[in-house]
Amino acid sequence: DVVMTQSPLSLPVTLGQPASISCRSSQSLVFTDGNTYLNWFQQRPGQSPRPLIYKVSNRDFGVPDRFSGSGSGTDFTLKISRVEAEDVGVYYCMQGAHWPPTFGQGTRLEIK
Amino acid sequence: QVLLVESGGGVVQPGTSLRLSCVASGFTFRSHALHWVRQAPGKGLEWVAVISYDEKYKSYADSVKGRFTISRDSSKNTLHLQMNRLRVDDTAVYSCVRDRGGCSGDCYGDFDLWGQGTLVTVSS
Repeated sequence: DVVMTQSPLSLPVTLGQPASISCRSSQSLVFTDGNTYLNWFQQRPGQSPRPLIYKVSNRDFGVPDRFSGSGSGTDFTLKISRVEAEDVGVYYCMQGAHWPPTFGQGTRLEIK
Repeated sequence: QVLLVESGGGVVQPGTSLRLSCVASGFTFRSHALHWVRQAPGKGLEWVAVISYDEKYKSYADSVKGRFTISRDSSKNTLHLQMNRLRVDDTAVYSCVRDRGGCSGDCYGDFDLWGQGTLVTVSS
């Protein structure tokens, strides 16, 4: 299985400051159709995961533009330009290019 | 409103069975592959199973292969997960998840909608 490694696992951030989460895969996530299937999800406390980013850099419906995704091959990043209180939660990356789909361990974002 | 609503969770003893259901609404059910993903208490996310839009392709995590069966009923817009020979380590919130694609031919994973989940507790 493809191993997804996130860092850091804990991310204390001051309100209004930027935040960045790294996700590395053990294999390239480029699929046979040429797309790179790397997603990001946000899980707020007590809620189910919410899709944020798909295919590396595309924001899902309703996601604020302060969230952005980038990367290629095996190295990916989720950035929040200015952290707000509602951004508290756990962030997961997921790869869908190789079966089975696998998730990173999660990064817990908290407000300093 | 686009929704996935799971049901069927509960507290069961090891070795017994349980059937989960997920009712979809607000979108064309037949167009999407559907997955089950679980999350043990305080832990991360684990993919469990997938069924393609046309039911021709099914796949399972090694941890549940031979014990769990995924199925769908397009006449009722419903996804099921039949769980047999349950173990203590199957304890988790089970979520129904929609794929952006249909999983026809080569299958990739691209999750765009999650249900709220249903809790399954396996305990003696």
